[in-house]
Amino acid sequence: AQKVTQAQTEISVVEKEDVTLDCVYETRDTTYYLFWYKQPPSGELVFLIRRNSFDEQNEISGRYSWNFQKSTSSFNFTITASQVVDSAVYFCALTLGGGSQGNLIFGKGTKLSVKP
Amino acid sequence: NAGVTQTPKFQVLKTGQSMTLQCAQDMNHEYMSWYRQDPGMGLRLIHYSVGAGITDQGEVPNGYNVSRSTTEDFPLRLLSAAPSQTSVYFCASSYLPGGDYGYTFGSGTRLTVV
Repeated sequence: AQKVTQAQTEISVVEKEDVTLDCVYETRDTTYYLFWYKQPPSGELVFLIRRNSFDEQNEISGRYSWNFQKSTSSFNFTITASQVVDSAVYFCALTLGGGSQGNLIFGKGTKLSVKP
Repeated sequence: NAGVTQTPKFQVLKTGQSMTLQCAQDMNHEYMSWYRQDPGMGLRLIHYSVGAGITDQGEVPNGYNVSRSTTEDFPLRLLSAAPSQTSVYFCASSYLPGGDYGYTFGSGTRLTVV
């Protein structure tokens, strides 16, 4: 069975600090896809990034970066120079990609509070 | 292109009442699913569909029914509402779950059962 663990329930930082959100996943399949979603206080789920199991390249998008390490089954998310607008709940999710295995399996989320 | 549309946005039900949460997508996505979000629990899968006429249970299906008569619509029915079904419900759809953008989510329905 697949599982996603986000051990950090809540994180509080002061604006401009860097923060890393941890995500550890479990699967026996060799093909899988990992996602990060952001849920701001308004409640909608916003797609941030997708990574497949064959691509371990790290990704940077502005202040956001993702570190995917298959050796430790981790897909961590770092926000550099955090801003108040980054305050949200962040979810890591896993799918095997097709058929009855195509559903997203979510971690329980990490609530990030960025204080001015 | 409206994406995934959920109605209603808010609903209050009395225990024992039934209702249907509507979900429609205009992207011709085969995959559709319903999740519920509860504090500290993340999003848990209720039911899903891999195409018109095909549905299956997820992690927490009890008390809910679904049907998929068309590609566009995937309604979720609460048969006899219970306070334990107080939650925020999200509908999602995907052309290719492992694809570049994974699933598109609706804006959610906040349901309170009293």
